[in-house]
Amino acid sequence: TQLLEQSPQFLSIQEGENLTVYCNSSSVFSSLQWYRQEPGEGPVLLVTVVTGGEVKKLKRLTFQFGDARKDSSLHITAAQPGDTGLYLCAGMTTDSWGKLQFGAGTQVVVTP
Amino acid sequence: DSGVTQTPKHLITATGQRVTLRCSPRSGDLSVYWYQQSLDQGLQFLIQYYNGEERAKGNILERFSAQQFPDLHSELNLSSLELGDSALYFCASSVQREWNEQFFGPGTRLTVL
Repeated sequence: TQLLEQSPQFLSIQEGENLTVYCNSSSVFSSLQWYRQEPGEGPVLLVTVVTGGEVKKLKRLTFQFGDARKDSSLHITAAQPGDTGLYLCAGMTTDSWGKLQFGAGTQVVVTP
Repeated sequence: DSGVTQTPKHLITATGQRVTLRCSPRSGDLSVYWYQQSLDQGLQFLIQYYNGEERAKGNILERFSAQQFPDLHSELNLSSLELGDSALYFCASSVQREWNEQFFGPGTRLTVL
């Protein structure tokens, strides 16, 4: 059982559409990170959120950390083919010093 | 480029063999983490070292071991290899701040035949 549940598992959309990916848990996290991974490469850190209710924007990507610090979402506006990839959320609980728990990921495919 | 390097990029070996994967962290990072990623298991944390000492252990098999050297590079040793050990192995490093942002290397793809 994954500590972090991501949904949906797979998302296929057309260029210009919006999408939202969710990351949920019953545990409280001291911090939560989002990564994007392309085939055969290592995950690349996109953002870290640490405060409940925090919203961070990275160009067309908006990240939100739930008020209770148990969930997070990633919203992409006007998706582009370059946004294609596996999006992973990863969290660190207060009692797991240094140990990131990863969700299974959401595979996003954006077609031109 | 994350600044984390891993060698080799690809490794093909036979069952029962032993291999060593190498990782150099980003300059200034004291923590090194090893992960295994397979199609059916996702990204699984194996082990963490901080400044030469083991700090956290995840789902690491007894056939696997790791160490971090004084120059902070790390090696992951996999022995008595089985077909199921075929996977991507990633190393990540961090400064070890409170929120522990990790930077991943390009990975080593291990194929056990």
